[in-house]
Amino acid sequence: EVQLVESGGGLVQPGGSLRLSCAASGFTFSDHYMDWVRQAPGKGLEWVGRSRNKANSYTTEYAASVKGRFTISRDDSKNSLYLQMNSLKTEDTAVYYCGRLDGRYLGYWGQGTLVTVSS
Amino acid sequence: DIQMTQSPSSLSASVGDRVTITCRASQGISNYLAWYQQKPGKVPKLLIYGASTLQSGVPSRFSGSGSGTDFTLTISSLQPEDVATYYCQKYNSAPLTFGGGTKVEIK
Repeated sequence: EVQLVESGGGLVQPGGSLRLSCAASGFTFSDHYMDWVRQAPGKGLEWVGRSRNKANSYTTEYAASVKGRFTISRDDSKNSLYLQMNSLKTEDTAVYYCGRLDGRYLGYWGQGTLVTVSS
Repeated sequence: DIQMTQSPSSLSASVGDRVTITCRASQGISNYLAWYQQKPGKVPKLLIYGASTLQSGVPSRFSGSGSGTDFTLTISSLQPEDVATYYCQKYNSAPLTFGGGTKVEIK
């Protein structure tokens, strides 16, 4: 069974940093592209970024709203995906989901972790 | 970047009604279009990919159509368990833009 479990969310002050993790199981993690998607309270879904697999040189892409502040990485030996978030703003407050790409769409989602940016 | 526009933003229909949700892309995206269902307080779930291919386990009352810029999600006979917000997403290339969502309620 495919499982994605996010962790690392919490309360952080504006300008602060936070690192989210996504632990994957039930599939060959190293084969798959992985995405981060977020959802602000009461709002819609926003794509954050992507980590491609080793075959595609672990390249990453980011939404314009987070580029230069967020960094996606992965450790295939630990079946884990990470989201390093720096220079956090109040508008980054959201539930952050990791997702597994099947083809190019999100076939599986984690349960999400809440990040609150507030003073 | 390509924008995805959904309509309506919300709708209320009776059990058994046929429900149609529209998603329009600002540029052609072939059939690289997915639909997700998010029930209240839950995680989004993939319903349809490739504009019209039903994900395994999804009830057959859901269907998708379209190509290029105009797409449709149809629920042939609305059920109480279909109360949710539905999102389209284009995935031909990054950024993977979502539509604004359509909230479906029971009248």
